[in-house]
Amino acid sequence: LAKTTQPISMDSYEGQEVNITCSHNNIATNDYITWYQQFPSQGPRFIIQGYKTKVTNEVASLFIPADRKSSTLSLPRVSLSDTAVYYCLSADSNYQLIWGAGTKLIIKP
Amino acid sequence: DSGVTQTPKHLITATGQRVTLRCSPRSGDLSVYWYQQSLDQGLQFLIQYYNGEERAKGNILERFSAQQFPDLHSELNLSSLELGDSALYFCASSASSGRASDTQYFGPGTRLTVL
Repeated sequence: LAKTTQPISMDSYEGQEVNITCSHNNIATNDYITWYQQFPSQGPRFIIQGYKTKVTNEVASLFIPADRKSSTLSLPRVSLSDTAVYYCLSADSNYQLIWGAGTKLIIKP
Repeated sequence: DSGVTQTPKHLITATGQRVTLRCSPRSGDLSVYWYQQSLDQGLQFLIQYYNGEERAKGNILERFSAQQFPDLHSELNLSSLELGDSALYFCASSASSGRASDTQYFGPGTRLTVL
């Protein structure tokens, strides 16, 4: 049974780099891994996605090893406004979407 | 603004009642997804429609049903409501048939309170 696992919560401080790792077994061979950010009482919004190696955009980086059994979302120099829940999304071998349970990230001043 | 609209924003009803939540996807998007999020819980995928057809089913109760209409808007029907159905219900849309690579755009949600 495919499962996506991520830490329930993490704390960090302003200005630090934060890395959130998601483990996804039995991942679909031809689909991407996508991360979303959710603020309280709002719908999640897309942050970044990738297939292999490293992807970087204006808000985050995503590292995916060759075996694609995990992915790490990296948030550089976080601020208080990065306090949110972060979800990873992948697909299993039948291309059924599997959402992680979400990581609640709290940034302290 | 994601371009996805949901109505109503808030809904308060009693146990045993039936409600309908409505979602209009982004212009051009063919897939609509429904999610339930209880207080301080993660997203629970309920169901996905693609171009009018049911595409994927998650943990949707038999008391719940959905459909996607020819104009691509979707409705989620919740019946015989129980206290535990109180939650935020999100609709999302995407351009294609629903891979993880297919970015989902979420609406603002409908907050359902069952008393």
